[in-house]
Amino acid sequence: GAGVSQSPSNKVTEKGKDVELRCDPISGHTALYWYRQSLGQGLEFLIYFQGNSAPDKSGLPSDRFSAERTGGSVSTLTIQRTQQEDSAVYLCASSPSGNYGYTFGSGTRLTVV
Amino acid sequence: RKEVEQDPGPFNVPEGATVAFNCTYSNSASQSFFWYRQDCRKEPKLLMSVYSSGNEDGRFTAQLNRASQYISLLIRDSKLSDSATYLCVASNDYKLSFGAGTTVTVRA
Repeated sequence: GAGVSQSPSNKVTEKGKDVELRCDPISGHTALYWYRQSLGQGLEFLIYFQGNSAPDKSGLPSDRFSAERTGGSVSTLTIQRTQQEDSAVYLCASSPSGNYGYTFGSGTRLTVV
Repeated sequence: RKEVEQDPGPFNVPEGATVAFNCTYSNSASQSFFWYRQDCRKEPKLLMSVYSSGNEDGRFTAQLNRASQYISLLIRDSKLSDSATYLCVASNDYKLSFGAGTTVTVRA
């Protein structure tokens, strides 16, 4: 596609439920990132995928968070047993190589009630 | 300590004014630097890369001082449409570190 596509754009879930967030990067971009932005805060790195290399998961805040990238394209971020502190905007970005040209999707606004 | 620190502002300036602000970064291994613009409830968008020699893009000028580890952004002849939050970014290889942003409001 022309840009990075994320779905859903908004998600309201009950505390304790699992959620899946999807990111469809720009075609041909080998690098894919997930970031989280809480209200009034900067972007917090979560995870990085580059081609077939092992992902850098160093930013995942707990073992309730996981992500996968299938076929080097679409990525899914899963949050299990959601907590209220998980409420944030989850942003996905892709890049041709990981060193430049980062393009963000419009994000998924997650609200845990 | 955050890797990238910014003055949150807000900077309230009249149309046509010049506004400047900077950020500092703590990782001396950072290799690339950027300014991103983020409008309210929107995703960040790349405004410009920042080079050691300094660079301009129209009304925007960015400077990098590696010795002091700070990056600056100057906006000349401010427009109402420049109202946004400006995010300072330092990159080490593939990992981007974002500042929390500087809010600029341009008033008529």
